[in-house]
Amino acid sequence: EVQLVESGGGLVQPGGSLRLSCSASGFTFSSDPMHWVRQAPGKGLEYVSAISSNGGSTYYADSVKGRFTISRDNSKNTLYLQMSSLRGEDTAVYYCVKRLAAVDDYWGQGTMVTVSS
Amino acid sequence: AIQMTQSPSSLSASVGDRVTITCRASQGIRTDLGWFQQKPGKAPKLLIYGASSLQSGVPSRFSGSGSGTDFTLTISSLQPEDFATYYCLQDYNYPLTFGGGTKVEIK
Repeated sequence: EVQLVESGGGLVQPGGSLRLSCSASGFTFSSDPMHWVRQAPGKGLEYVSAISSNGGSTYYADSVKGRFTISRDNSKNTLYLQMSSLRGEDTAVYYCVKRLAAVDDYWGQGTMVTVSS
Repeated sequence: AIQMTQSPSSLSASVGDRVTITCRASQGIRTDLGWFQQKPGKAPKLLIYGASSLQSGVPSRFSGSGSGTDFTLTISSLQPEDFATYYCLQDYNYPLTFGGGTKVEIK
């Protein structure tokens, strides 16, 4: 059974940093591109970032480019999102997603990040 | 980035109604479009991929159509469990982009 479990969310002050992790199991992690998608409270879905299966290619939304870094450790079946220079508008539930919008699309349950003083 | 314009932003409908939601891309995206359903407090669920392919396990009352810039999600006969918010997503190029969402409410 595919499982994606996000962790690392919490309360952080504006300008601070946080690293999210997504632990994957039940599939060949090293074969799949992975994504982060977020949703601010009461708002719609926003695409954040993607990484290719071998980590060689990364992509970012303009809203996070230069502040967030996506990475993966295929030996640990884990996806990461390093977030820095955090702003109030980064407050959201962050979802880890396997093969977004493909036949074997799968979402984690999300981790909440709150940026507030 | 490609802009995805989804309409309407909300609608009220009754059980048994036929419901249509549209999504327009700011440039051609072939058929690289997915539709998601999200219920409160839950992760989104993929309904349609490749504009018209039904995800496994999704009821056949859901269908998708379109190519290029204009796409449609149709629910042929709305059921109580279909009241939710629906989103389109273009996966033609990065950064991927979502539509603004359509909330389907009970009339």
